[in-house]
Amino acid sequence: QITLKESGLTLVKPTQTLTLTCTLSGRSLTYGGVGVGWVRQPPGKALEWLAIIFWNDDGHYSPSLKNRLTITKDTSKNQVVLTMTDMEAVDTATYYCVHRPRSSVGAFDVWGQGAMVTVSS
Amino acid sequence: DIQMTQSPSSVSASVGDRVTITCRASQGISSWLAWYQQKPGKAPNLLIYTISTLQSGVPSRFSGSGSGTDFTLTISNLQPEDFATYFCQQTHNFPWTFGQGTKVEVK
Repeated sequence: QITLKESGLTLVKPTQTLTLTCTLSGRSLTYGGVGVGWVRQPPGKALEWLAIIFWNDDGHYSPSLKNRLTITKDTSKNQVVLTMTDMEAVDTATYYCVHRPRSSVGAFDVWGQGAMVTVSS
Repeated sequence: DIQMTQSPSSVSASVGDRVTITCRASQGISSWLAWYQQKPGKAPNLLIYTISTLQSGVPSRFSGSGSGTDFTLTISNLQPEDFATYFCQQTHNFPWTFGQGTKVEVK
């Protein structure tokens, strides 16, 4: 069974950097075709895809946030880390870690429970 | 970016009804269309991928169809546990994008 768990500080001040870690269990980040990414959802609003990194280190970002986002993976810990700089109130949202099993699926079959991030001074 | 437009934004229905939700892409997305269900306070759950492939464990009353830019999620014989919000998503081109959601409410 594949599971994802988000961790990290979830109360950040404006202008600070958010760092979230996703720990993947039940599947290696080096498994062919695997991608792990991030999706966020402001309270009461729609889902927004942020970034993804694949088993071969290929990474992609939302263009609207590209200048603020970095996604990396640590295969020794089976973890993916998302950093978002210059946080502001509009970034308050639940941040989900997501798993794409292989290219032929093209969707997120496993989601983490979510990390509720609040940006406030 | 490919825009995904869902309609309606909400629908009122009763148990046993057939519910249809539409998702339109601003350009062709081949077969890279997925549907998710989300209940309050929970993470989304994958229902269907590549337009019509049912994710393992998802009841057969859920079905997907469409092609090109127009896609449909159908819930036949609506059950109490189906009252939720549904999102479509395209993974044809980066950035991957979601629809704004359709809430299925109790009539």
